[in-house]
Order: sequence, then structure tokens, then C-alpha cells
Amino acid sequence: DQQVKQNSPSLSVQEGRISILNCDYTNSMFDYFLWYKKYPAEGPTFLISISSIKDKNEDGRFTVFLNKSAKHLSLHIVPSQPGDSAVYFCAASEGPPSDYKLSFGAGTTVTVRA
Amino acid sequence: DVKVTQSSRYLVKRTGEKVFLECVQDMDHENMFWYRQDPGLGLRLIYFSYDVKMKEKGDIPEGYSVSREKKERFSLILESASTNQTSMYLCASSPRGTGFSYEQYFGPGTRLTVT
Repeated sequence: DQQVKQNSPSLSVQEGRISILNCDYTNSMFDYFLWYKKYPAEGPTFLISISSIKDKNEDGRFTVFLNKSAKHLSLHIVPSQPGDSAVYFCAASEGPPSDYKLSFGAGTTVTVRA
Repeated sequence: DVKVTQSSRYLVKRTGEKVFLECVQDMDHENMFWYRQDPGLGLRLIYFSYDVKMKEKGDIPEGYSVSREKKERFSLILESASTNQTSMYLCASSPRGTGFSYEQYFGPGTRLTVT
């Protein structure tokens, strides 16, 4: 059973507007949460992460919010750009991601319209 | 820059064949991982290795084995390929411990088709 769920398989957004991607998890032992971005024919690349001791982490246009009580996290991209069109995977681990296995969601395909 | 390379981008094999997928990383990482990616399921961990000659089962190890004889190389072996092993296979590596960077770095993937 998947412990990390991304319930929206796709998202279409106008260039310049905000993209909000959602992710839910069931395992209360998860301590680290990451977002990866994947273009076709390439491997996933790390985007941004957050540990469970924080509720927000920001890196340029990307912000991740964590709500531990709801077991929910979201990724905000502001403003959205055409180069942001990709598949975004939410992932979680019970310890430092370098040393623990990652559990991934099914992914959300983002399309940014010009 | 971290580089993770996989031996083939595309591979077509027949049912029952033994298949080797090779992964090499050039950053002296201790940890290496094999995932498969399927539509609607995301990435699922097959096997991982924390050190040379060490291996641990992931979430879906059935039908697969691995080999890590050298630190930089991690091989995934399909002993007898079946059509349900048609998938995108992704290798990843990471340094042990948090340090300044603690994500996993992925290779470009191998699209395997078993007919």
C-alpha cells in the first residue's frame, strides 16, 4: 500500500500564476520530505526538502509547506514558468534521505501554459 | 557535479532471458539504490546497498537480484525476465550521512521492454 499519495495526476496552470501541488502520507515515522522534478527521458532531480521540525522551507520560487498533524505537504511554485512543465514527485523517508529508503508518490504532471 | 550513468537508455529482451542493468557513479558515494517507475505507482525501491558487497531488499525485490563488487558500480539482475518487469529502471546514489547534501542523485534511467 502506498504510504505517499499524490491524488492529482495532472495540473495545468497559466504562466506567471501559482502552481500548488499536494501530497499526503500515512506513515507517522516519516521525518524528511522531498520534492523531485522529472523531465521526460531524464532521471528525477532534487528540488526542495523539509524536515519534520519545520513547517516551511523556501528556495527561490519554490516553497514547501508541511502540516504534520494533517500528514500533508504542499509545493508552491510562484511564478510558474514554462520550464516548470514536468512531473513532480513527492517523497518521504524515516531518516536522512541519503541513508534511508525513499517512498515516492505517483507523481503530478504540471503543464505551464504560455 | 554528481554523475550517475546507466549502461543503456533502452533495452528490449525476451521472456526468460537473464538481464543485467549496470549503474556507475563517480562521486565515491557509499549508498546506491535501484528503483522502478511505473505509471500511477511512482518510483518503487527494488534493492539498495550501503557498502561494497552489502545489499538490502527494498519494497519489491521479487524477481530481482543485485551485485555490488566495487563501490562505484551497482548492478541489477533480472534472473528470468518476465513481461511484468517491463518498466523504467532508475539508479540512484547518495553519500552516507547528512553532511551538506543529503538527497539521492538519479541516473537517466533504462527503459526495459520484455516481450
